[in-house]
Amino acid sequence: NAGVIQTPRHKVTGKGQEATLWCEPISGHSAVFWYRQTIVQGLEFLTYFRNQAPIDDSGMPKERFSAQMPNQSHSTLKIQSTQPQDSAVYLCASSLGTGGSSYEQYFGPGTRLTVL
Amino acid sequence: AQKVTQTQTSISVMEKTTVTMDCVYETQDSSYFLFWYKQTASGEIVFLIRQDSYKKENATVGHYSLNFQKPKSSIGLIITATQIEDSAVYFCAMREADSNYQLIWGSGTKLIIKP
Repeated sequence: NAGVIQTPRHKVTGKGQEATLWCEPISGHSAVFWYRQTIVQGLEFLTYFRNQAPIDDSGMPKERFSAQMPNQSHSTLKIQSTQPQDSAVYLCASSLGTGGSSYEQYFGPGTRLTVL
Repeated sequence: AQKVTQTQTSISVMEKTTVTMDCVYETQDSSYFLFWYKQTASGEIVFLIRQDSYKKENATVGHYSLNFQKPKSSIGLIITATQIEDSAVYFCAMREADSNYQLIWGSGTKLIIKP
C-alpha cells in the first residue's frame, strides 16, 4: 500500500519565482491536508480538502498561496512570488475521513522548499 | 480553548529501557481523539497510536502504549524496550469530534536513545 506521495522532495527557487508542490493522497482517503513546518513555528495547518472540495484555507498566507485538488488522486500547493520566509518543509497528509470518528492522518515525506 | 502541551523538550535514555513522554491537553468537548506521531531524522512523520476519549482502556500497539488519565487531561506515551531507531521527535496531537478535522499539535519531545 503506497503511502502519501509528495513531489519534489526538495525544491530551490529564487526570490520572486513560483513553486508548485504536488501531493498524491492514499487511495480511498477523502480528506487531504497541507501543513508547513519550520523550526520556529513548528507544524502549521494551511488548508484542508474533503472529497476534493476546499473546506478550510484559514492557514494559508493570503495573496501568494493557493491550493487545488482537481481530482481525488492529487492536490497541488502553489506559491507565487516566493519569499525567503516561505522556506520550510511542506507536508501533505490524508485521512479516510473526518468528523466523529478517530481518523488518523497519514503524512507524506514532505517537500523541503528553499527560497534563495 | 484547545491546547496541547508537551513540557519535555528532550529526553535521553539507555537502549532497552522504558521511557514515558508526557502530554496534557485542554478541550471543552466531551468527545475527542488523541494521537501520537513520531518524526524521524529524515523528516518523515509517522502515526503511532491513538486514544478515543470515550474508551477507558489504554491503547497499545506493539511496544507503544498510552497512559490515559482523563481527569487530569493527560495522555502519556510509553515506549518499552527502546531501540536506537526509536530516536526521534514525538508529537502529541488532539482532534475534537466537533471540530471535524483540525489537529491541535504539541511542540514535540526529542527522544535520544543511547547505546
